[in-house]
Formats: sequence, structure tokens, C-alpha cells
Amino acid sequence: AQKITQTQPGMFVQEKEAVTLDCTYDTSDQSYGLFWYKQPSSGEMIFLIYQGSYDEQNATEGRYSLNFQKARKSANLVISASQLGDSAMYFCAMREAGTASKLTFGTGTRLQVTL
Amino acid sequence: DSGVTQTPKHLITATGQRVTLRCSPRSGDLSVYWYQQSLDQGLQFLIQYYNGEERAKGNILERFSAQQFPDLHSELNLSSLELGDSALYFCASSVTDSSYGYTFGSGTRLTVV
Repeated sequence: AQKITQTQPGMFVQEKEAVTLDCTYDTSDQSYGLFWYKQPSSGEMIFLIYQGSYDEQNATEGRYSLNFQKARKSANLVISASQLGDSAMYFCAMREAGTASKLTFGTGTRLQVTL
Repeated sequence: DSGVTQTPKHLITATGQRVTLRCSPRSGDLSVYWYQQSLDQGLQFLIQYYNGEERAKGNILERFSAQQFPDLHSELNLSSLELGDSALYFCASSVTDSSYGYTFGSGTRLTVV
């Protein structure tokens, strides 16, 4: 069974600094997808970035990048130049290939950006 | 606006009651997923429909049921409600049933009192 582990319940970062949110996963599949979502206090789930297991380059989307280390089964999210608006819960999720394409989520990391 | 519409946004009801949550997927998306987010269980997959057919089932209680209609909107029915059913219920949609492009609605916050 697939599993996502986020070991940091909470993180603090100063404005304009970079921060890394950790995510490790466990799967026996060769084909899978990894996702990061942001959930602000208003509650909605906002898609940030996607990495496919066969993608050779790390995914980037603006200030977000995904540090994908396949052998270590880790998919850490890096946020550069943090902004106050980045304060939110961040969830790592995985989708395995197959007939059921549901997402399995980690427990999340609460990021607080300070002045 | 993500394109996925969930109604109502908030719902307060008593134990033992039955409620229906509604989801309209993004235009063109055939697949609908329901998730439950509670404080103690985190984000849990409940059920998936693809073009009207049930495709996958997760940790969905027998008191809960869902369906997807010909116009592709979906409803999640929760019955014999208990205090522990209080949670944020999300609907997400995607074009196919194996796409990576999931779009989430803003959720329905259910409070059972």
C-alpha cells in the first residue's frame, strides 16, 4: 500500500528566505505521480506542483520547485523567497498508476512565514 | 474559482440526520473524487466516479453513499450522522480517471451537533 510521510508538523521561515518541506513516500509501483497542495486558512486545496516518476528533471513552477530523489523516495518542496501569503498547510500526495487514480495524502506541514 | 463547485459551503445538522453534498465538476472533466478531511484522520479518499460509474472506493462508511448523474454532477449522501462525521468534505475532478490534473472544490464544512 502506498504511504506518504511528512515528518514536519510545523515550520517557521522568515520572509524572503527559502524553505524546504519534507516528503517521503513508499510504493512498489514504478509509475506514480507526486503532488504538492497548499491549503490556506480559508480551506481550499490549491495545486502547486507535480512530478512524474519518469520525469528526469525536477519540476519547477515559479517560486516552487520539487527536489525529487527517486532512490531515496523523497519529494521535497522548496519554496524560494517566502512571502507572508505562503503561510498555510502544505500537503504532499501520491497517485499510483492503475485503475484507481486516487490521491493518498500525507499529514501535512503547517508553514508560518514571519517578518 | 477553480471550476469545481461544491454546495453548500457550510452545513450544520443534528446527530441522526441525513444530508446531501453536491459537486459540479469542472467543465469537460469526467471523473469525480470525494475526500473527507477531519482533524484526527487527515485527508481520506472516499470514492471515485468516472462518467457515471463507480471506479474506486476508499474508506467510505456504509452510512455514506454517492452517485454521479448523467450531467456529471455528483452527490455524496451522509446518513445517520454522528459527531465524528464533522469534517471538511472535498470534491475534486479530473479529465480522465488516470490524469494528474486534479482540481479541488472549496469544500463543504459539515458540523454535526
